[in-house]
Amino acid sequence: AQTVTQSQPEMSVQEAETVTLSCTYDTSESNYYLFWYKQPPSRQMILVIRQEAYKQQNATENRFSVNFQKAAKSFSLKISDSQLGDTAMYFCAFSPSNTNAGKSTFGDGTTLTVKP
Amino acid sequence: KAGVTQTPRYLIKTRGQQVTLSCSPISGHRSVSWYQQTPGQGLQFLFEYFSETQRNKGNFPGRFSGRQFSNSRSEMNVSTLELGDSALYLCASSLLRAQETQYFGPGTRLLVL
Repeated sequence: AQTVTQSQPEMSVQEAETVTLSCTYDTSESNYYLFWYKQPPSRQMILVIRQEAYKQQNATENRFSVNFQKAAKSFSLKISDSQLGDTAMYFCAFSPSNTNAGKSTFGDGTTLTVKP
Repeated sequence: KAGVTQTPRYLIKTRGQQVTLSCSPISGHRSVSWYQQTPGQGLQFLFEYFSETQRNKGNFPGRFSGRQFSNSRSEMNVSTLELGDSALYLCASSLLRAQETQYFGPGTRLLVL
């Protein structure tokens, strides 16, 4: 069974600064997908960024980037130039790519507050 | 394209009743997954349907069931409701399997009294 651990229940950052959210996971799978999802207060969950485990290059999406360390089973999210709209709960998620492909595992989430 | 829609958005039931929640995926998406979100347990995977077949199931009792129709719309059913079933139930669709990006609906908030 897979586990996903987000060790920071809450974080805060000043607007325009950079913040890094941590995520570690445990799996015996060799190929899988990792995701960061964002759930703003009372709004729908949306994908922030996606990483295929077989790709060594870290994924980036505008101000969002990841530091994927496969050997260490670590998948942190860096948000640069934080904006007020980044205030949300962030979930790290794991999905295997085998027959259990649909069985996603989510971390407990990190509540990020961006302060003006 | 329209996003994932879930109906109803809010529901109040009493213990022992049953409930059916509906999810319409994004047009063309064939995979629908269901999750239960609670403050104490976080997001927990319920099941995934792909091409009308349940492909994966989480660790929930048999009171939780689901199905998917030929148009990819999905329903989940909870029978003999318990207080602990109070939660936000999220549906997510993806083009193929859930290792693809999942697009979430707004959720159905169920309160069991």
